[in-house]
Amino acid sequence: NAGVMQNPRHLVRRRGQEARLRCSPMKGHSHVYWYRQLPEEGLKFMVYLQKENIIDESGMPKERFSAEFPKEGPSILRIQQVVRGDSAAYFCASSETALNTEAFFGQGTRLTVV
Amino acid sequence: AQKITQTQPGMFVQEKEAVTLDCTYDTSDQSYGLFWYKQPSSGEMIFLIYQGSYDEQNATEGRYSLNFQKARKSANLVISASQLGDSAMYFCAMRERSSGSARQLTFGSGTQLTVLP
Repeated sequence: NAGVMQNPRHLVRRRGQEARLRCSPMKGHSHVYWYRQLPEEGLKFMVYLQKENIIDESGMPKERFSAEFPKEGPSILRIQQVVRGDSAAYFCASSETALNTEAFFGQGTRLTVV
Repeated sequence: AQKITQTQPGMFVQEKEAVTLDCTYDTSDQSYGLFWYKQPSSGEMIFLIYQGSYDEQNATEGRYSLNFQKARKSANLVISASQLGDSAMYFCAMRERSSGSARQLTFGSGTQLTVLP
């Protein structure tokens, strides 16, 4: 859904650099979810945030990955010291409440680590 | 055990015919939701249809309908009158509502649908 904005659409990083992925949820949505899609696979949950709070980060790798959703501004998924295995499409979804019957996704950020 | 199973890696259908994409799920929750998404080659995830576990009627959205068989734990997507633009990857997903990590979606591995002219 065009209402969830992710940028950049494509990101190339060298091994060891940092990647910052941004997600602006739909207007009025305070729940944000990040998913990762490895090539030829389905999406895998990473983290669920509400404004200023991480609610569930059970899908996040223990090291190098962090996420935030500040009071003002977009949600940020940060990957430090990227490795080739981090190459994937990263999707953000937002919803108005936790149990909405719809979850709208952004267009994704395709991260390539060279 | 897989929570969402899509057993058809690839499917072909003739234009204007109907096609069924299979999805079975595994949950012990009584309250859950089932979703289908379309991912064209451009990569975005497009929400198609939703079915709640307590919904008595099968969900329909235009040419999409969900064949929900609760006892068999299946939630197959039916696309009627296929169009060339339907060629895409299709993902089934589930949101369990009563578990601790209730709000996330769990996705299947997808089915690549190709519509033939």
